Amino acid sequence: DIQLTQSPSFLSASVGDRVTITCRASQGISSYLAWYQQKPGKAPKLLIYGASTLQSGVPSRFSGSGSGTEFTLTISSLQPEDFATYYCQQLNSLTFGPGTKVDIK
Amino acid sequence: QLQLQESGPGLVKPSETLSLTCTVSGGSISSRSYYWGWIRQPPGKGLEWIGTIYYSGSTYYKSSLKSRVTISVDTSKNQFSLKLSSVTASDTAVYYCARRITMIRGVVSGFDTWGQGTQVTVSS
Repeated sequence: DIQLTQSPSFLSASVGDRVTITCRASQGISSYLAWYQQKPGKAPKLLIYGASTLQSGVPSRFSGSGSGTEFTLTISSLQPEDFATYYCQQLNSLTFGPGTKVDIK
Repeated sequence: QLQLQESGPGLVKPSETLSLTCTVSGGSISSRSYYWGWIRQPPGKGLEWIGTIYYSGSTYYKSSLKSRVTISVDTSKNQFSLKLSSVTASDTAVYYCARRITMIRGVVSGFDTWGQGTQVTVSS
């Protein structure tokens, strides 16, 4: 099975910061990757699919890049509503990464 | 606007079968454009995909759960269901149902619409 790892596991940042989260796959997965945002007590929200395609309605400060085994989610200027946990998901086996919690510094 | 709503018992005894239903409103479960899935999240932990079904009845399950999972679809009721047998305390989780679009302009998509989730506790 293809495994996903995320780094960092926890990230402390301030409003306005540029934030980058990395997701690595144990084997190449082309561009079959999605990113989700989850806030406490809420269902996950799809942000990015196809590694870099922004889901409709998601702010343009979110962007995704990468292919093969290494992918990144970037938030260009962190907003108060962006403090959440972020998960990557491989879109073949539908495995999720372990998550990255973004907290307020 | 598409909405998904999970329903089912919140408490299940060990060794019994967990049964949940997801009711889809505001859209048809029979569309060829969508898959329908179940995802769970144990308390304080990450997301785990359980399985997915197509309107035709084709199913795809996580390999480690395959022996205990059955997902079915009832197009007449616009619902799909999850059964997880022989449950233990490790199956305690919030269970989500969700929709996955097969492709958007040729790009494979993720789960774009989710239910609110339902807490299931396995305990005697």
